[in-house]
Amino acid sequence: ETGVTQTPRHLVMGMTNKKSLKCEQHLGHNAMYWYKQSAKKPLELMFVYNFKEQTENNSVPSRFSPECPNSSHLFLHLHTLQPEDSALYLCASSQVESSRPYEQYFGPGTRLTVT
Amino acid sequence: AQKITQTQPGMFVQEKEAVTLDCTYDTSDPSYGLFWYKQPSSGEMIFLIYQGSYDQQNATEGRYSLNFQKARKSANLVISASQLGDSAMYFCAMREDPSGGSYIPTFGRGTSLIVHP
Repeated sequence: ETGVTQTPRHLVMGMTNKKSLKCEQHLGHNAMYWYKQSAKKPLELMFVYNFKEQTENNSVPSRFSPECPNSSHLFLHLHTLQPEDSALYLCASSQVESSRPYEQYFGPGTRLTVT
Repeated sequence: AQKITQTQPGMFVQEKEAVTLDCTYDTSDPSYGLFWYKQPSSGEMIFLIYQGSYDQQNATEGRYSLNFQKARKSANLVISASQLGDSAMYFCAMREDPSGGSYIPTFGRGTSLIVHP
């Protein structure tokens, strides 16, 4: 596997379900990000992990719970979601101390539909 | 107020021609960076080009160049010699102060580019 992978690619869940999104980066990076991309809205940053420590929580509702067990893996745990949470969820990684710390590598995303 | 404005929801270009995608930004921070990403229909965001606010020259990466006009607060993406594979959504983004070392960009709404054969 290379780059950033995300599983599952598609997920349909009911409002009472609990599910998790998984992201794995194979680039040796030390920062990971969750973004939400809704139709007709700009990409929204949700969470940032820097050296496995959460450094940003962009006012995300508590029904979204991130977990970063190590610098290569990032999870987004979902519970009691709302239909408006349906979106493409993108994971990204970057190397903070590098010549191009601004360059983020994105995964293909998980298309989430909440019914 | 929007920090990144992309006024062109959709653009069309003939194959092999050049196209400019507009982006204006708003910041009072003297140190910032501007990015462009490409998002094909497959979903992943692909980094294209970066311009730092203190960079003297416009950034170039292959067929991509960033027309940086600091006084106008614009950072337009120029794609030369368009190819069919350039058809995608293009997002302009800006990061201001790095927070704890993480570069956290603010994205625009995007421009859909379609390249005609």
